[in-house]
Amino acid sequence: GNSVTQMEGPVTLSEEAFLTINCTYTATGYPSLFWYVQYPGEGLQLLLKATKADDKGSNKGFEATYRKETTSFHLEKGSVQVSDSAVYFCALSEDNYGQNFVFGPGTRLSVLP
Amino acid sequence: DAGVIQSPRHEVTEMGQEVTLRCKPISGHNSLFWYRQTMMRGLELLIYFNNNVPIDDSGMPEDRFSAKMPNASFSTLKIQPSEPRDSAVYFCASSFGAARGDTQYFGPGTRLTVL
Repeated sequence: GNSVTQMEGPVTLSEEAFLTINCTYTATGYPSLFWYVQYPGEGLQLLLKATKADDKGSNKGFEATYRKETTSFHLEKGSVQVSDSAVYFCALSEDNYGQNFVFGPGTRLSVLP
Repeated sequence: DAGVIQSPRHEVTEMGQEVTLRCKPISGHNSLFWYRQTMMRGLELLIYFNNNVPIDDSGMPEDRFSAKMPNASFSTLKIQPSEPRDSAVYFCASSFGAARGDTQYFGPGTRLTVL
């Protein structure tokens, strides 16, 4: 079946550090890929997405590139802020009608001032 | 738009009681999803609807759980009887369409505690 693997957390960084959160996936077809973010006490929000190979999704300084050859969708940000502290979820959606929408386990990021 | 609305935000109940969680999706969205989030199991899809019709309920843990969507603007998730292991945060999400690239928009969640 489909699955998403993320790097284990928590990740603790100092403000202005470079962030990478690794995400790899297994899918039987050609999925769309997503990064969602969950701030404390809130629901998940879409951060960025990519629907085909080599697409780059970007938002709020975060970016991720759909790499079909390595089945990866790593999240990066050049300079993190304290306000980026949250849990980040990688996800895929393979089929229409929302089927096989699979989330990774989440990676908790803490940014220290 | 107000976004996905869930109620209540917090629910504390005793084992054996019936619990009903409510969700109002974003107007115009045709798909609705119910998720459960726990530390142990992460985010699990329970059921989803398309045009008010349940498409896949294979994630519903057992017969104690049921979900309905009587119209395009309202859905409920019911647990009867509730058990302590049902304690979790329950999220409702909606999306405009059902294509694989469609974004799901999440509500703030209902934190359920079963004593």
